[in-house]
Amino acid sequence: QSALTQPPSASGSPGQSVTISCTGTSSDVGFYKYVSWYQQHPGKAPKLIISEVNKRPSGVPDRFSGSKSGNTASLTVSGLQAEDEAEYYCSSYTGVHNSPVVFGTGTWVTVL
Amino acid sequence: QVHLVESGGGVVQPGGSLRLSCEASGFSVSSYGIHWVRQAPGKGLEWVALISYDGSNQNYADSVRGRFTVSRDNSKKTLYLQMNSVRREDTAVYFCAKDVGYNYNYYYFDYWGQGTLVTVSS
Repeated sequence: QSALTQPPSASGSPGQSVTISCTGTSSDVGFYKYVSWYQQHPGKAPKLIISEVNKRPSGVPDRFSGSKSGNTASLTVSGLQAEDEAEYYCSSYTGVHNSPVVFGTGTWVTVL
Repeated sequence: QVHLVESGGGVVQPGGSLRLSCEASGFSVSSYGIHWVRQAPGKGLEWVALISYDGSNQNYADSVRGRFTVSRDNSKKTLYLQMNSVRREDTAVYFCAKDVGYNYNYYYFDYWGQGTLVTVSS
């Protein structure tokens, strides 16, 4: 199972919006609703920020939103803040027993 | 609140063994599957293994199947990852992560431990 494709980097100024894409296949992102997004600051554990394509866990600011179209999921961070500078990973359920979860390649977001 | 604390990492020689532990608290440990996810230095996340809430089901990535074994002791609220025949490419920070599903596996993770570093080197 190949990793989901994300752009290596994205950037925006404080207050602006940035959108990160996550491209898979019709067997993972395109088929299942179990697409999630994680935020990881350097040296820290990942944190779930979006689940099931567009659900925000409790405590996650509504500046974070998710969507999906076909085989591509997207994460949008609106009203960028300095603390949003981090690595972002998408993931998808695949339904494959020996590889049920596939992660994206990761996108580093820089707040200019 | 939910806490996951990994331990047991360190330096191990190629071909050697290591057992990682993940102490869980703040939730009904016996009702949730726990995954192991690793991250090689400077690299992305890689799913490694799952043990279901009751231990009856284990899944492994192809890269570790036959070498790694997951287990759990719900009475101690502790999960384990036994790593045998380790290779240099197993060098990574290993995270344990809680599945969101109650008595069911949804294969995404709402809480993560801080990770423990395993270095395979002679």
